[in-house]
Amino acid sequence: QQQVKQSPQSLIVQKGGISIINCAYENTAFDYFPWYQQFPGKGPALLIAIRPDVSEKKEGRFTISFNKSAKQFSLHIMDSQPGDSATYFCAATHTGTASKLTFGTGTRLQVTL
Amino acid sequence: NAGVMQNPRHLVRRRGQEARLRCSPMKGHSHVYWYRQLPEEGLKFMVYLQKENIIDESGMPKERFSAEFPKEGPSILRIQQVVRGDSAAYFCASSSKDREFLNTQYFGPGTRLTVL
Repeated sequence: QQQVKQSPQSLIVQKGGISIINCAYENTAFDYFPWYQQFPGKGPALLIAIRPDVSEKKEGRFTISFNKSAKQFSLHIMDSQPGDSATYFCAATHTGTASKLTFGTGTRLQVTL
Repeated sequence: NAGVMQNPRHLVRRRGQEARLRCSPMKGHSHVYWYRQLPEEGLKFMVYLQKENIIDESGMPKERFSAEFPKEGPSILRIQQVVRGDSAAYFCASSSKDREFLNTQYFGPGTRLTVL
């Protein structure tokens, strides 16, 4: 099964708060997990990615946490800002050969003042 | 700008016409992927190509859809005899052949197809 399940579908966070988006996968062959940010009318932009040999990766205000045994990973946005309001997609693929990304269904994040 | 380029950005077609979407990968990238995004949904893989070769077309509908990536020029996604259900945003992504960055895909701005 190639599914990636993402939750929540939508999220409202106050400015300065922490936004948390969760994803779960089924295919144990997946070993590369990127997150994409998409603004309305634009293409997805790569935000941050992780491989399962580490449990956490941090870039600025964005952190990925990875739990290999549970087959789950999550995106944390610290000190959320109104400019972070966008749709976020998790994805997964199998490295070694260039391969298609399997995307989650997306989370629409709104950061309020 | 060395990013992934797609054109046209918006395309309107009547039912039964052909739609032709073009994608130029990032400079130095030789792998191209096409994805479709229906309204309020995630992206679904359609096809993966390298120069002059289709590597994986498992996400392509069996009829009316075709893709190519010629030795020279952009990759083309062709939809023949379009129907209203083809209305969607079509995104192209590219990646490098370098093993370290093989799975890092960069997306273009998309082509929004509307079928009347």
